[in-house]
Amino acid sequence: AQTVTQSQPEMSVQEAETVTLSCTYDTSENNYYLFWYKQPPSRQMILVIRQEAYKQQNATENRFSVNFQKAAKSFSLKISDSQLGDTAMYFCAFGGSARQLTFGSGTQLTVLP
Amino acid sequence: GAVVSQHPSRVICKSGTSVKIECRSLDFQATTMFWYRQFPKQSLMLMATSNEGSKATYEQGVEKDKFLINHASLTLSTLTVTSAHPEDSSFYICSAKGTSGGASEQYFGPGTRLTVT
Repeated sequence: AQTVTQSQPEMSVQEAETVTLSCTYDTSENNYYLFWYKQPPSRQMILVIRQEAYKQQNATENRFSVNFQKAAKSFSLKISDSQLGDTAMYFCAFGGSARQLTFGSGTQLTVLP
Repeated sequence: GAVVSQHPSRVICKSGTSVKIECRSLDFQATTMFWYRQFPKQSLMLMATSNEGSKATYEQGVEKDKFLINHASLTLSTLTVTSAHPEDSSFYICSAKGTSGGASEQYFGPGTRLTVT
């Protein structure tokens, strides 16, 4: 079975600064997807970024980028130029051969003005 | 992008009654839908996987007779909480998966807040 671990329950960052959220996972599969989802106070789950395990290049989406270390089973999210609207709960998720996603416990990020 | 709707967004019901939550994929066909439960400040807990035209697969510890799931079409899955009790109060989220393979395409509904009084 897959496990996803987010070791930072809460983090804060000053507006315009950069912050990195950590995620590690455990799996015996070789082909899989990793995701970062954002859940703002509205509680709508929003896909932030997706990484396919067979791709060595780290995924980027505007201010969001990941550091994917397959051998270390690490998948961190970097948010650059943090904005107040980035305040949310962030979940790391694993998607493999099973149809469902496995979520981490989440990191509550607060962007301070 | 793909849109998933849930209805209602909020519902209050009396203890002992049943309540139905609908999850619809608006612009794509969803062969599989997932139902999650989320408590405040916690992660999403998978309750069951709903497959069009077949019985749902429930996670360990989830009472299938209490949480009835029906996936009658490729765009609609329903979750019925039967004989609701205050401990069933929670935030329920559905997600829908497209017809392509793998876990790469799941889209989330906005959630339903259930309060049982």
